[in-house]
Amino acid sequence: AQKITQTQPGMFVQEKEAVTLDCTYDTSDQSYGLFWYKQPSSGEMIFLIYQGSYDEQNATEGRYSLNFQKARKSANLVISASQLGDSAMYFCAIRGRDQLIWGAGTKLIIKP
Amino acid sequence: NAGVTQTPKFQVLKTGQSMTLQCAQDMNHNSMYWYRQDPGMGLRLIYYSASEGTTDKGEVPNGYNVSRLNKREFSLRLESAAPSQTSVYFCATVRDSSFGSGTRLTVV
Repeated sequence: AQKITQTQPGMFVQEKEAVTLDCTYDTSDQSYGLFWYKQPSSGEMIFLIYQGSYDEQNATEGRYSLNFQKARKSANLVISASQLGDSAMYFCAIRGRDQLIWGAGTKLIIKP
Repeated sequence: NAGVTQTPKFQVLKTGQSMTLQCAQDMNHNSMYWYRQDPGMGLRLIYYSASEGTTDKGEVPNGYNVSRLNKREFSLRLESAAPSQTSVYFCATVRDSSFGSGTRLTVV
């Protein structure tokens, strides 16, 4: 069975600061994928970044990067230079075989 | 290129009524999924279809049925709606993480 744990229910961050959102996972699969999604108050689910378990480099997408520490089963999302528009729920998810298993999410609020 | 199209966006049902949520994708993906999201929670998988003609139960299948009509379309049916099924429903194809815009369903 797979499991995702996001230990930060909510975070307040000052605009322009960097943010790290924590995600730890548990899986017995050798091959898996880790995802981060953003869900703004409008409700849509927006894909941010993906890391494969065999990827040697940490994934990056613009201001988003994934700090992947395989031995620690950790896949933290780093947002550089936060903006007011980054305020949203953020979800970490793991894919093994054909299913995505989701964490409970972290509510990020960016303060001006 | 619409990606994943989900209808309707909003629906209110009375307890016991039935309805079908429609989902279509134009990305030629094999796998399609139905999730529900309850307030303050992540998504939970209801059913999925790994390929045309196959469907499998996810974490919370009770009270739902699905049909994979063809490669493009994957529908979710509530035969007798209950207040516990009030939720936001998302259809997705996971290969490149494409989600529909969601259906907000309220059962009164």
